[in-house]
Amino acid sequence: ETGVTQTPRHLVMGMTNKKSLKCEQHLGHNAMYWYKQSAKKPLELMFVYNFKEQTENNSVPSRFSPECPNSSHLFLHLHTLQPEDSALYLCASNEGREGDEQFFGPGTRLTVL
Amino acid sequence: GQNIDQPTEMTATEGAIVQINCTYQTSGFNGLFWYQQHAGEAPTFLSYNVLDGLEEKGRFSSFLSRSKGYSYLLLKELQMKDSASYLCAVTDSNYQLIWGAGTKLIIKP
Repeated sequence: ETGVTQTPRHLVMGMTNKKSLKCEQHLGHNAMYWYKQSAKKPLELMFVYNFKEQTENNSVPSRFSPECPNSSHLFLHLHTLQPEDSALYLCASNEGREGDEQFFGPGTRLTVL
Repeated sequence: GQNIDQPTEMTATEGAIVQINCTYQTSGFNGLFWYQQHAGEAPTFLSYNVLDGLEEKGRFSSFLSRSKGYSYLLLKELQMKDSASYLCAVTDSNYQLIWGAGTKLIIKP
C-alpha cells in the first residue's frame, strides 16, 4: 500500500449505530487531518493531529470522536449521528510544516439514515 | 470573517485555455494552494504560491497577487481528463488552511 488509504470507502448507518472510519498513511508524515466534504461546500477541517497529539478541534460535535494511536493511523469514531452528517469524510497527511502540501486519501462516503 | 470565492462551474473546449479565478479575504496570508479533485476521488496537489507572480508547471500555471487577494489557475491545451473540480485554499496567519467550495470544470469535445 502506498499513500493514504481509508476504509471503508462507503458506509451506511442508522442514527443509533456506532461505527469507525480508519485512515492509514504510508508516507512517514507527522501530521494527520480529518475533513468533512459536503456537496458544493468548502472542505471543513474537523481535527488535526501532530505527532499523535490533537492540535485542532474545530468545534466538532461530540458525536465525532477522533483517535490517533500513532503517527500512521487515524480513526474517527461515530455514534448517534444525524442525517446532516452524511458527507464524504477525507483524511489527509503531511509533514506538518508551513507550506507543505497535504496528501489525501480517497475518502469514506457516509450516509446516515 | 474568512472567505474564499471561486466560480461554481465553468465550461471549456478541448484544446483551449481556461482561467479559474480565486479571490480571498483572510486574516493574514501564508500561501495559496490549488488542488484538483476528480469526481469520487481524493484531492491532489497542483500548485503552491507564496510570493507574487506566475508559477508554471507544464500545462498548468498559477498566479498570485497578494495586494489584490487574488489568484488564478491557468490550464492550457485542455484535455478531457482535465474535467474535475479545482479547489483553492489559503493558509491564514495561524497557518490554518481555509478552503474554497471548488470550481467544477467541464470540458467539451
